[in-house]
Order: sequence, then structure tokens, then C-alpha cells
Amino acid sequence: DTGVSQNPRHKITKRGQNVTFRCDPISEHNRLYWYRQTLGQGPEFLTYFQNEAQLEKSRLLSDRFSAERPKGSFSTLEIQRTEQGDSAMYLCASRRDATGELFFGEGSRLTVL
Amino acid sequence: DAKTTQPTSMDCAEGRAANLPCNHSTISGNEYVYWYRQIHSQGPQYIIHGLKNNETNEMASLIITEDRKSSTLILPHATLRDTAVYYCISTGTASKLTFGTGTRLQVTL
Repeated sequence: DTGVSQNPRHKITKRGQNVTFRCDPISEHNRLYWYRQTLGQGPEFLTYFQNEAQLEKSRLLSDRFSAERPKGSFSTLEIQRTEQGDSAMYLCASRRDATGELFFGEGSRLTVL
Repeated sequence: DAKTTQPTSMDCAEGRAANLPCNHSTISGNEYVYWYRQIHSQGPQYIIHGLKNNETNEMASLIITEDRKSSTLILPHATLRDTAVYYCISTGTASKLTFGTGTRLQVTL
């Protein structure tokens, strides 16, 4: 499979726990994006990397959220001290250049009890 | 990013052309128009994008008005598998894509 891969696909956790999601983009893509999607809404932008540099962060990304892309390949999104409002689908996407097609993964669904 | 406006929902009979409109009246000269769709429980899927000229690929056609203030996505022969939420996005280069709530297209027999 040469698409964008996300793990885990589903995560159920208790409020206050930390969770980490991983995204493996398409190999030659240097741009990587994280989005969050709640029921009935379109995806909301969270953050964007070009290679290992995090170039943009949404105001939605509170201090409890951190994203990394240490070697410019895979990326992780960590949520600390989860809250019920963090329950959502977390989508990762990648693209080769600034204007081309953005390829999305299947998402990681988080449920916070 | 320019704000886009789309109808909340549309119906289309199977085999007919589905024409999905999008208004982006504040689009600037360097902003592209992208269309994505999202089938339930899947990640969004790219359909097509364009800047000024009309575009066509194996999935759809994109018609952009001369003043670039609106566009139409055309699925020439809709099938039940085209039932999805369709997002029209207008954005400049090197920018994230800002999704709205899209148009829910229901293809019926």
C-alpha cells in the first residue's frame, strides 16, 4: 500500500490519559498535514509540516496538543490529558508540492470516555 | 483563503449528470479551486482542481466562470457510489485546505 497510513485506526481512552497517533505519509511527499473532524463537520486544519519544520499551527491546537515530524518522514500527534471534547477523527494528509493533490489517510478515531 | 458557499444537499438520479455549484466570490488571482469528496467513514478524496481554465479528468469536470467567482463540479454519469459529501475549497499556494461543511450529494435509483 503506497497511500497515507495512520495508526491506530481506533483509540478509546479515559479522560485525563495521553494518546499518540502516528502518520506515515507517501514517501516522496515533503508536506504533511493534520486535521480533526467531528460528526457533521468538515475537516478542521490543525497543523502543517514541510519536511521536519512545523510551519503553521491552528488556534485549535491547544497546549495539550503537540505534533512532531522528527526526520521529515512520519509524524506523531500527541494529546495530553485528554478531554471528552477531544473525541473526533484525526486525519493526516500529505502532498508532494504546494498546489498538488492532498492525499488523506483513513483517519484515527479517538473516543474519550 | 477565500470563503466558499455550497448548497447543503442535492439529489441526483443514477446515470444523470450531477452538477455541484460553488460560490467563491472573494477569490484572489493566485487562489486555486479544489474539489474533494468524503464517503462516510473514509478520509477525503481528491477529485480535481483548477486555477482559471476548465479542467477534466477521469472522475469529473471543473467549470470555472470567467470572473472566477464561481465554479461547478460535474460528475457526468452519477452512480450510487458517488453518494458523498463534496467540498469546494479555494486556497493559495503552499496553504492548508480549509474545508467547509460541503454539499451532501445523494444519488438515487
